[in-house]
Amino acid sequence: AQSVTQPDIHITVSEGASLELRCNYSYGATPYLFWYVQSPGQGLQLLLKYFSGDTLVQGIKGFEAEFKRSQSSFNLRKPSVHWSDAAEYFCALKTSYDKVIFGPGTSLSVIP
Amino acid sequence: EAQVTQNPRYLITVTGKKLTVTCSQNMNHEYMSWYRQDPGLGLRQIYYSMNVEVTDKGDVPEGYKVSRKEKRNFPLILESPSPNQTSLYFCASSGGPNQPQHFGDGTRLSIL
Repeated sequence: AQSVTQPDIHITVSEGASLELRCNYSYGATPYLFWYVQSPGQGLQLLLKYFSGDTLVQGIKGFEAEFKRSQSSFNLRKPSVHWSDAAEYFCALKTSYDKVIFGPGTSLSVIP
Repeated sequence: EAQVTQNPRYLITVTGKKLTVTCSQNMNHEYMSWYRQDPGLGLRQIYYSMNVEVTDKGDVPEGYKVSRKEKRNFPLILESPSPNQTSLYFCASSGGPNQPQHFGDGTRLSIL
């Protein structure tokens, strides 16, 4: 079955600390993977995407993600978190055409 | 400006009263989708469309209808809304199967 899991429902970090948000997927073929961010009351903004090639992907706002096929993971990282990064983060898997499966999301709180 | 536009942004209505949420994109995208977002469940795909007159069910299509008569428009129709359809709805479009989706700002529906 195709699925996306985000093990952490909520994470709290201090401003300036590093961040890693976990994402695991289940899919039998090469996945198209995305990370989106949603600020309160807003739509979803694309942070980065992975289709093929280099397994370390750079995105906007200083985020990066690493695709690890052997672990079926696509974890999102940021070396130094800013207070404005507080938001909901979604990992998503696109399997074919426009069939997309989202994870349940991880809520990030940032302590000043 | 490239955008996906949804209307209305907010709607409170009663059980059984037919409603339509419109979605329009100005990017000439072939692919469009509808999602609902519920706490703890992330976004779940309702329907998607690969082109004019081509639609397919997502994960939660029950109680919804869609149509794709023009490339730019993809309305979501609730013919007999029920309270369990109270949710935040997002429309999205993409330029191809390996392209990320662009999201609208969302429509918050309350069915009493």
